[in-house]
Amino acid sequence: GESVGLHLPTLSVQEGDNSIINCAYSNSASDYFIWYKQESGKGPQFIIDIRSNMDKRQGQRVTVLLNKTVKHLSLQIAATQPGDSAVYFCAENGSGTYKYIFGTGTRLKVLA
Amino acid sequence: EAGVAQSPRYKIIEKRQSVAFWCNPISGHATLYWYQQILGQGPKLLIQFQNNGVVDDSQLPKDRFSAERLKGVDSTLKIQPAKLEDSAVYLCASSLDQGRGYTFGSGTRLTVV
Repeated sequence: GESVGLHLPTLSVQEGDNSIINCAYSNSASDYFIWYKQESGKGPQFIIDIRSNMDKRQGQRVTVLLNKTVKHLSLQIAATQPGDSAVYFCAENGSGTYKYIFGTGTRLKVLA
Repeated sequence: EAGVAQSPRYKIIEKRQSVAFWCNPISGHATLYWYQQILGQGPKLLIQFQNNGVVDDSQLPKDRFSAERLKGVDSTLKIQPAKLEDSAVYLCASSLDQGRGYTFGSGTRLTVV
């Protein structure tokens, strides 16, 4: 079946360092991917998206990389700040549908 | 713009009782979703509306869950009767149209005891 998973459940990084959060997806037909950030007690917040015709997309301090060959997605956060502490989810649109399938999530802890 | 509004924020009920959640999407957003997020997991889609019609309810446990969006704006999600495993955060999200990124509400945290 379709699934999205993450390699690391918790990631601890020093403030100011770069963070890399990884995600594996299983449906090769997925053509749209999103990274969400979820802070405690809040709903997921859109960070950045990427379509399957791209392999890299940059935002403000964030970069998403897509490797379709190995069905891998990553989120890079530059100069990680305390406010980046949250759970990060990747989501795929599974077989080109409009419903998004979320992974389990990675908790990012920023150490002062 | 105002975000997606949900109420209540928290709800505690006993098993076999019923409960309802309310969602007011962003003005003008035609597509509305209800997700269930069990602690430690990613959100799972329950139902998707396009205006007041159901697009996808394949993962909605229809023996106990129901949802409606009568006028194509607000939506309610109901559970009757509730089970212990229904304890979760129920998230509502909306988007201008299918295929666009969602905006999520803060969710309703349901505890079934």
